[in-house]
Amino acid sequence: DAGVIQSPRHEVTEMGQEVTLRCKPISGHNSLFWYRQTMMRGLELLIYFNNNVPIDDSGMPEDRFSAKMPNASFSTLKIQPSEPRDSAVYFCASRIQGRSGQPQHFGDGTRLSIL
Amino acid sequence: EDQVTQSPEALRLQEGESSSLNCSYTVSGLRGLFWYRQDPGKGPEFLFTLYSAGEEKEKERLKATLTKKESFLHITAPKPEDSATYLCAVQARISGGSYIPTFGRGTSLIVHP
Repeated sequence: DAGVIQSPRHEVTEMGQEVTLRCKPISGHNSLFWYRQTMMRGLELLIYFNNNVPIDDSGMPEDRFSAKMPNASFSTLKIQPSEPRDSAVYFCASRIQGRSGQPQHFGDGTRLSIL
Repeated sequence: EDQVTQSPEALRLQEGESSSLNCSYTVSGLRGLFWYRQDPGKGPEFLFTLYSAGEEKEKERLKATLTKKESFLHITAPKPEDSATYLCAVQARISGGSYIPTFGRGTSLIVHP
C-alpha cells in the first residue's frame, strides 16, 4: 500500500519567495495533518483537516502560512513570503477519523531551507 | 495544558544492553498513547497504541507499557538497527470534536556494535 506522499523532499529558496508543499494522504483516510519539526520545538501541529474541511489552524504561525485541501487526495501548505525562520522539516500525516485510537501515518517530510 | 515529557533526551547503549525509555504525561482523560520510531530523514513510523493502565504491547525487541502517569518503552538486547529517535504522543485534547495527539520531544537512541 502506498503511504503518505510528500513533495518536494527538499526545497531551497531565497527569502521572500513563495513556497508550496504538497501532500497525498493514504487512500481512505479522511483526516490530514500538517506538522513542522525543528530541533528547538520538536513536532508542532500547524493545521488539520477532517473530510477536506480545516478544523483547527491555531498552530499556523502567521498569515504568511496557508493550507488547502481541495479534495480527499491532495493538500497543500503554502508560505508567502518565506523567511529564514521558516526553515524546518514539514510533515504531512493522515489517519482514519471517527474510529477511536487510530494512529497517524506520516510522510517522509519536506526539508525546507530559506536562505 | 497537556504536557508530555520524554526522558532521557539521548541514550547510548552497547549492543545487547537492555534499557527503558520514559514518557510521562499530565493530561485529563487519556484517549490513547502512541509510540513512534523516527529514522534520520524519515517521518515517524507508528509502533504501538496503548489505551489503559496495565496494558502492554510487544514487537520484536520492544515492549511498551502504560500506567496512569507514564509509559515505558523497554528495549531488550538492542541491536544497532534499533538506533533511532523514539517519539511518544498522548491523545487527550479535543479540537473541533476530534482527539488530537500531543507529541513529546523524543529520545535519541544510539546502539553501538
